[in-house]
This record gives sequence, C-alpha cells and structure tokens, in this order.
Amino acid sequence: EVQLVESGGGLVLPGGSLRLSCAASGFNFGDSWMNWVRQVPGKGLEWLAIINQDGTGKHYADSVEGRIAISRDNAKNSLSLQMDSLRAEDSAVYYCVTDRGYKQFDHWGQGALVTVSS
Amino acid sequence: QSALTQPASVSGSPGQSITISCTGTRSDIGAYNYVSWYQQHPGKAPKHLIYDVSKRPSGVSNRFSGSKSGDTASLTISGLQAEDEADYHCSSFTTSGTLVFGGGTKLTVL
Repeated sequence: EVQLVESGGGLVLPGGSLRLSCAASGFNFGDSWMNWVRQVPGKGLEWLAIINQDGTGKHYADSVEGRIAISRDNAKNSLSLQMDSLRAEDSAVYYCVTDRGYKQFDHWGQGALVTVSS
Repeated sequence: QSALTQPASVSGSPGQSITISCTGTRSDIGAYNYVSWYQQHPGKAPKHLIYDVSKRPSGVSNRFSGSKSGDTASLTISGLQAEDEADYHCSSFTTSGTLVFGGGTKLTVL
C-alpha cells in the first residue's frame, strides 16, 4: 500500500522559513517523479513543484519560484520542501503527491498544515 | 496561467446522473489529453478519479467517466449515491509545462 506521510507543518512568523518532509513507502520511490501541491482550506488546489527520479530535474510554479526548494533523498525514501520568506497567503495544507505522468497525481499524503501569522 | 473554470456547485438526486464541466484554453485542456479529476471529501486529501481525460485508476467505480471536447473537459457521475457528495477538482497539463487546477465544484446529493 502506498503511504505518504507529511511532517513539519506548524505556525511560522511572516518572513520566516519552514521545511516540510514527506516519508514515502509502499512503492519504488526512487523510480517516481514527486510533487508538492497546496490548498488553502476551503479553496482550490495549487501545484507548487516537481522533482524527477534522481533529483537533478526540478520545476516550480511561477507563484513560488525563488522562495521554495524541492529536494529528495532516495536512500531514505524522503521528499522535502524548503519554504523561505513566508507570507500570510502561503498558509495552506501542503500535500506530497506521486505523479503518474504529466502532473497527474495518483497518491496523496494526508497533508501538513502551515499557518503563517504573527 | 489562469485557473480552469468549474461551476461552484451542482446537485442531483440519488440514482441520477450529473456532469461537471471544466473549461480551459487551447494552452491547457485544448492542447493535451492530460486532464485529471479528483474527488475530495471534507477534511480529507483528494482522491484521483480520472486521468488522461477518460481513464480510471484501478479501484475507481465505473460510475465515474470523463470526456473532453475542445477546451472543455467533463466529469459525469452516473447512478448518484450519497457518498458521492464531495468537492471535485479538475486539472490540466499546460503548454508551459506547468499544471493548472479548476476552482473546484461542490456536489450536493439531494
């Protein structure tokens, strides 16, 4: 069974930084493209970033490029998202998701809530 | 990239069929057959229902079907059941290599 478990969410001050992690199991993590998607509670979904199998290829949404960085550790079956210069509008639930091709997401974690507030 | 356009809400009675539309442009839905649909119950993560416009992942009921015409994709749910009450999100790969989602549609089963 595919499992994706996000951690690292919480309350952060505006301008602060946060690092989210995602522990993956139940599939060949090292063979999978991975993504981060977020959702403001009660609103729609927003794709943020994708990383290829060996971590050498990354692509970001324009809305967050320069403020976030996606990375992975295949030895630990782990995906990460480093977020800097956080703003109130970054408050959302952040999901770690697998990619079955062309950014179509077949498995989702339970999400990590990030709240940016003073 | 602008979001895809979905109706804010749709409703139907048990046993009926409903269709949710998702309108984009020739730079996303009109360009590729990489349209997905997701079902999301309150407080839960989205679940993948449809990929490549009309394909169902293993385990998804055949009551869910997808189609596309031009710049508009559609999700049809037949034999509506109470447990289908949820939010539905569409998405499409774009010509710039990014992904765009719709704003989501709330389905109410009367």
